Amino acid sequence: DTVLTQSPALAVSPGERVTISCRASESVSTLMHWYQQKPGQQPTLLIYLASNLESGVPARFSGSGSGTDFTLTIDPVEADDTATYYCQQSWNDPFTFGSGTKLEIK
Amino acid sequence: EVQLVESGGGLVQPGRSLKLSCVASGFTFSNYGMNWIRQAPGKGLEWVAYISSGSSYIYYAETVKGRFTISRDNAKNTLYLQMTSLRSEDTALYYCARLSYADYWGQGVMVTVSS
Repeated sequence: DTVLTQSPALAVSPGERVTISCRASESVSTLMHWYQQKPGQQPTLLIYLASNLESGVPARFSGSGSGTDFTLTIDPVEADDTATYYCQQSWNDPFTFGSGTKLEIK
Repeated sequence: EVQLVESGGGLVQPGRSLKLSCVASGFTFSNYGMNWIRQAPGKGLEWVAYISSGSSYIYYAETVKGRFTISRDNAKNTLYLQMTSLRSEDTALYYCARLSYADYWGQGVMVTVSS
């Protein structure tokens, strides 16, 4: 299986720029996607196909990368961005999720 | 408006079976691949299975392969997950989601495997 590795947690202050990384154990081309999940809610899609912003998602969110290294950037961070962020690949069978990065806004 | 509504969850004993359903509306169901994704209490997301629009391509997580079967009825706009030989580690909130990059999610249905 393709293992996606994310840092467990990050803490930043409002207004700062934050990058959340996701490293794949093998190439996933650009079929990497990012989700935000707030407590008690279902996940929502932020970025699909590595760099495409989902409709309705603020332009503060952006994605980049290809192959094995991917980044989700939030700039500037707002208090409402407190959540867990997951990457997911759909290039290799089986599809897989990263373990999530919990973002705390100080 | 796209809607995905899961049903069929509940409490089931280890080793037993359960079948989940997901009724889709607000889009042409037959044109879209669909997923089941689960989340154990307090844990992260785990992708479970994917089925392409015409059922030609089906993929499973290794943890459920051979025990779970994903299927769909495009005439009924419904996605299914047949779960057999259930284990305690299958306890989770099960979501159906549209497309390989999950642009829409249902609210989820809880499955609890316990004696």
